[in-house]
Amino acid sequence: DAGVIQSPRHEVTEMGQEVTLRCKPISGHNSLFWYRQTMMRGLELLIYFNNNVPIDDSGMPEDRFSAKMPNASFSTLKIQPSEPRDSAVYFCASRTLFDADTQYFGPGTRLTVL
Amino acid sequence: RKEVEQDPGPFNVPEGATVAFNCTYSNSASQSFFWYRQDCRKEPKLLMSVYSSGNEDGRFTAQLNRASQYISLLIRDSKLSDSATYLCVVMTGGFKTIFGAGTRLFVKA
Repeated sequence: DAGVIQSPRHEVTEMGQEVTLRCKPISGHNSLFWYRQTMMRGLELLIYFNNNVPIDDSGMPEDRFSAKMPNASFSTLKIQPSEPRDSAVYFCASRTLFDADTQYFGPGTRLTVL
Repeated sequence: RKEVEQDPGPFNVPEGATVAFNCTYSNSASQSFFWYRQDCRKEPKLLMSVYSSGNEDGRFTAQLNRASQYISLLIRDSKLSDSATYLCVVMTGGFKTIFGAGTRLFVKA
């Protein structure tokens, strides 16, 4: 079975550019999480979707960050404009109602903003 | 104060040793507790859930003390393949997931 798929795996961009990160959750999973991991702050929850609806976005650092889930099989996290402090690994995770304890993480997108 | 606190280590142990990790959390309303494992430059993966009654999975034992707001993980008979970062995770409201900073373990031959 395919796990959570994220693209791109690596992204290098310049300050001020728009960055779009993509996630395809595991088929049949109804919840999706976006996380950011840095050495300084560890792993932080940015936003949580349930049945494609954003339930909690209190972790989104500022208005430059936005996330969408237009359907059950696709989500995006957009940063516009990007800044060097946004450099991090961004993980997407999904889970199913029938195994709510387990979040399945994608391989992550390593973002570097120069 | 961080919501979930762990000793960052590193813990350097020989193969076959027993090692224990501790974690404390600050939100008494937390409902679910987990240990995740993260290998270098990889994604986190669920190791085990943690229950008040304690739970065991092979060489791994997890305990939860709600009164003290304390979670532990015991690894017996350490293997080289156990080398990783162990993340203590607390969930509130069914989704609000807080990760600890992680404890690094190195198991040496």
